[in-house]
Amino acid sequence: KNEVEQSPQNLTAQEGEFITINCSYSVGISALHWLQQHPGGGIVSLFMLSSGKKKHGRLIATINIQEKHSSLHITASHPRDSAVYICAVPDSGYALNFGKGTSLLVTP
Amino acid sequence: DGGITQSPKYLFRKEGQNVTLSCEQNLNHDAMYWYRQDPGQGLRLIYYSQIVNDFQKGDIAEGYSVSREKKESFPLTVTSAQKNPTAFYLCASSIYSYSNQPQHFGDGTRLSIL
Repeated sequence: KNEVEQSPQNLTAQEGEFITINCSYSVGISALHWLQQHPGGGIVSLFMLSSGKKKHGRLIATINIQEKHSSLHITASHPRDSAVYICAVPDSGYALNFGKGTSLLVTP
Repeated sequence: DGGITQSPKYLFRKEGQNVTLSCEQNLNHDAMYWYRQDPGQGLRLIYYSQIVNDFQKGDIAEGYSVSREKKESFPLTVTSAQKNPTAFYLCASSIYSYSNQPQHFGDGTRLSIL
């Protein structure tokens, strides 16, 4: 099984701060997913990446395949970014293995 | 707009009762998934379906059953054999059933025991 570790587990930041969330996995992969879970429970897919870097608005995701590590960065954080951020990696050809998530709170 | 609809949002089960959670998608996706989320744990796969009339057990299938009679629909039944059903249940779909495809999620159903 491809083990996924996220850090930190909880994170509190002030509005405007630069935020980094980390994800490490144990087995080489074809693609890594970053997801956002809103307080109500719904989940949105943010990124799927297999190499390098992807950017969408204030969100940036990077991956280092050799190190088996990915980071999610949020620039100029805002209270509406408060959510749980989840990393997921392939566990087999069809299934994903999910990290436990990083709970982010951005205060005004 | 295309998406995944889960219903109901909240569900209560009496002891010994079976309950069915609905999941409908209009994304024309072949693959559909059911996950369970418990506090402090990652999502765990219950069942997945690659195509109509086919489904496979995930990591925690015991006490659950599914059907896939139509492409758009993938209902999950929580049977009385599931002794600890209180959890948040999420349905997802993807174009194909490969783990390098993005998954689209519904808003979830929260199941509690009366």
